[in-house]
Amino acid sequence: GAVVSQHPSWVICKSGTSVKIECRSLDFQATTMFWYRQFPKQSLMLMATSNEGSKATYEQGVEKDKFLINHASLTLSTLTVTSAHPEDSSFYICSASSGSRSGYTFGSGTRLTVV
Amino acid sequence: GENVEQHPSTLSVQEGDSAVIKCTYSDSASNYFPWYKQELGKRPQLIIDIRSNVGEKKDQRIAVTLNKTAKHFSLHITETQPEDSAVYFCAAGRSGGSYIPTFGRGTSLIVHP
Repeated sequence: GAVVSQHPSWVICKSGTSVKIECRSLDFQATTMFWYRQFPKQSLMLMATSNEGSKATYEQGVEKDKFLINHASLTLSTLTVTSAHPEDSSFYICSASSGSRSGYTFGSGTRLTVV
Repeated sequence: GENVEQHPSTLSVQEGDSAVIKCTYSDSASNYFPWYKQELGKRPQLIIDIRSNVGEKKDQRIAVTLNKTAKHFSLHITETQPEDSAVYFCAAGRSGGSYIPTFGRGTSLIVHP
């Protein structure tokens, strides 16, 4: 089945620093990748959608200059949280799609803690 | 765009009882409705799904029903077990072309032994 790897699984960083999270589709080509943010006991909030080789489409209210998304290849997308602050602490999950519903798979998630 | 409502937000049952989680959607063009189970700190896992041309689907203790006219679908878990305890999310979307699901707010299911 479709496998999506996400790294790191957890990270602690200091305020003001940047953190990069990687999302890789291991056995299929992901034409589209999605980045979600999830607060404790809440639903998945879509942050942005990225298609390979083009700029990401950000959801309303998500700062594109703070959450940099790059989708340089059909198997890799990265999310960089720039100038992180404690309020950015959250669970970030990517998902990758081959274009159909059957190819939609979540990554394992990254727990970001900003101190 | 699509809007998915999910109820209840919390559901507590005794082991062996049944659990039902309900969702409604707004976009009549949505034709694919997956359900995910998420354990604490882990990724959501697809547990069952249904397409709009089917009214009901069952997989062992889990079943999903869909009412297209009323735009609602439900997850049914029978003979619940403590390991069923998790957060469950419904989603709705169009399966053709670029599929982007809209998720419900989640239901925290607690099964007491």
